[in-house]
Amino acid sequence: DGGITQSPKYLFRKEGQNVTLSCEQNLNHDAMYWYRQDPGQGLRLIYYSQIVNDFQKGDIAEGYSVSREKKESFPLTVTSAQKNPTAFYLCASSMGREATDTQYFGPGTRLTVL
Amino acid sequence: GNSVTQMEGPVTLSEEAFLTINCTYTATGYPSLFWYVQYPGEGLQLLLKATKADDKGSNKGFEATYRKETTSFHLEKGSVQVSDSAVYFCALKGGSNYKLTFGKGTLLTVNP
Repeated sequence: DGGITQSPKYLFRKEGQNVTLSCEQNLNHDAMYWYRQDPGQGLRLIYYSQIVNDFQKGDIAEGYSVSREKKESFPLTVTSAQKNPTAFYLCASSMGREATDTQYFGPGTRLTVL
Repeated sequence: GNSVTQMEGPVTLSEEAFLTINCTYTATGYPSLFWYVQYPGEGLQLLLKATKADDKGSNKGFEATYRKETTSFHLEKGSVQVSDSAVYFCALKGGSNYKLTFGKGTLLTVNP
């Protein structure tokens, strides 16, 4: 079964801690993305990566970091510098970056800061 | 820059009613347009898409037509079911731009 997996489904963090969200895909897609969703809002792009060992900031990258050491993996670290990290985080992937390339989404991780 | 405006919800319908969710966009060039659906506690699923003007995307009884003259991509379904209750997002992806630009989502509730 091809798809995108995210773990964990729920994550609780104390203030001042860094946490890492996992995203893995077996679709052989080149491009991967991280979005943040807040209640009643659309999705906002945090980071994206077009190829291994390369990534770019999206619209709201402050307080987040990523790595892309393998094609199938794109972990997101939420650092203590992120002022309001409680949100639903969605990972996505697409074959490429063309307008016609569909982005497919994982099931999401809900992060709550205690 | 690119932007998407979709009708605010929530929308509440009875089963078998006709559904329209309006979506208009602003973009340069020739974007592709998408509708995604999100069920409670889950990620987004692609519902349908259209990649050029006058294209009609369709899936599971839902349809949307890419109207360049009115910059619109309205979602319609002739007869909704309780299982269609979800949040629907309109989105666009323009040219070689990497990212999807989303509307804020419309919550649909269908009552039996």
